[in-house]
Amino acid sequence: DVQLVQSGAEVKKPGESLKISCKGSGFDFTNYWIGWVRQMPGKGLEWMGIIYPRDSDTRYSPSFQGQVTISADNSISTAFLQWSSLRASDTAMYYCARSPSLVVATRNIFDIWGQGTMVTVSS
Amino acid sequence: DIQMTQSPSSLSASVGDRVTITCRASQSITNYLNWYQQRPGRAPTLLIYAASSLQSGVPSRFSGSGSATDFTLTISSLQPEDFAIYYCQQSYTIPWTFGQGTKVEVK
Repeated sequence: DVQLVQSGAEVKKPGESLKISCKGSGFDFTNYWIGWVRQMPGKGLEWMGIIYPRDSDTRYSPSFQGQVTISADNSISTAFLQWSSLRASDTAMYYCARSPSLVVATRNIFDIWGQGTMVTVSS
Repeated sequence: DIQMTQSPSSLSASVGDRVTITCRASQSITNYLNWYQQRPGRAPTLLIYAASSLQSGVPSRFSGSGSATDFTLTISSLQPEDFAIYYCQQSYTIPWTFGQGTKVEVK
């Protein structure tokens, strides 16, 4: 089965660091872009950024540039989203999703999604 | 960033109804428009890509149309499993942006 499996829920305190993961299986991880999407409680979807694991080409939304770091490790077919200093406003569900392309209309899509990782930041 | 505006924000409908959701982009995105469905407590799933192409495995009661700045998602005959939130998304330029969502509720 083609799937993305994300790491489990996290509860952290403000100021702590965190790295969550998204592991791909059933497809060539290096042939796809892996994106991250935030969904704050009761709110809509926000595109955070995307990485091409083959060469680590990474693009960020201006809203998230400098706030998070996206990375990937091809050897374990896993993408990561990390924070160096969490805030309460980072409390949200985070989804990873796969895209075949960034330049072709029929392939600029999130066709496979992870199950989501809930991050709760509270003192 | 390109702004995506959906209407309505919510609607009430009955099983068997025809439902139409619209999405407007703040500038032309040609056909770089996708639709996703999100059921409660679940990750989104892709319904329509490139404005009008049906994703594999998605029922044919879902259809999409439009180009440039104005797009439509239509559900021809609403089924119980279709009560969910629907999002449009432009993938014309980074950052890809989503509409605010349209919640389809039981009437």
